[in-house]
Amino acid sequence: QSALTQPRSVSGSPGQSVTISCTGTSSDVGGYKYVSWYQQHPGKAPKFMIYDVSKRPSGVPDRFSGSKSGNTASLTISGLQAEDEADYYCCSYAGTYTFVVFGGGTKLTVL
Amino acid sequence: EAQLVESGGGLVKPGGSLRLSCAASGFTFRNAWMSWVRQVPGKGLEWVGRIKRITDGATTDYAAPVKGRFTISRDDSRTTLYLQMNSLMTEDTAVYYCTTPLYDGRSYSDEYFQHWGQGALVTVSS
Repeated sequence: QSALTQPRSVSGSPGQSVTISCTGTSSDVGGYKYVSWYQQHPGKAPKFMIYDVSKRPSGVPDRFSGSKSGNTASLTISGLQAEDEADYYCCSYAGTYTFVVFGGGTKLTVL
Repeated sequence: EAQLVESGGGLVKPGGSLRLSCAASGFTFRNAWMSWVRQVPGKGLEWVGRIKRITDGATTDYAAPVKGRFTISRDDSRTTLYLQMNSLMTEDTAVYYCTTPLYDGRSYSDEYFQHWGQGALVTVSS
């Protein structure tokens, strides 16, 4: 069982928006601003998409946005495209002993 | 652009050992705190451990499931990261990724995993 809770799957049609939630505790998501998101296509390595809750690394489209409220972080993908179909993982800093924890992953299907 | 290439994966019996290597290029390896992250096939991601740079003592930290069995080391002259895995268990079966921290042009943030290798599959089975 993963430390952070994500929905197993979400779906949306091209052009629509979807939001993926990531629920933790005050010891991880709620306690720090160090939340990140990763995209993984089948058979590929994860790709770094969001950091510091809502910042995008260079090259990541602005269709991807992040936010946080309390113990729950969220990734929103607007203007869905076929290539967005992938697994998405959240990650949070969890203190000096645990360091970081990941969510179990969410499979995004573009209908 | 950073490039990471893992090698050394394979099939090993429970209780056995294996060493993974990660050849790094395209960034200043000696300045980076490097991490290993693993993924059980079809499952989620799990941080395995990290090693700080030499100037920070090259100290290491490990996730609880691997502490005492896995050892991370680095050879800055070869820009290579290693993961020595001993007393392997079936639950260690996973793809192991070598990762770099986020670099914003001024400093590193190792809470984030900016670049990933292609992964090395380790299968522990009798």
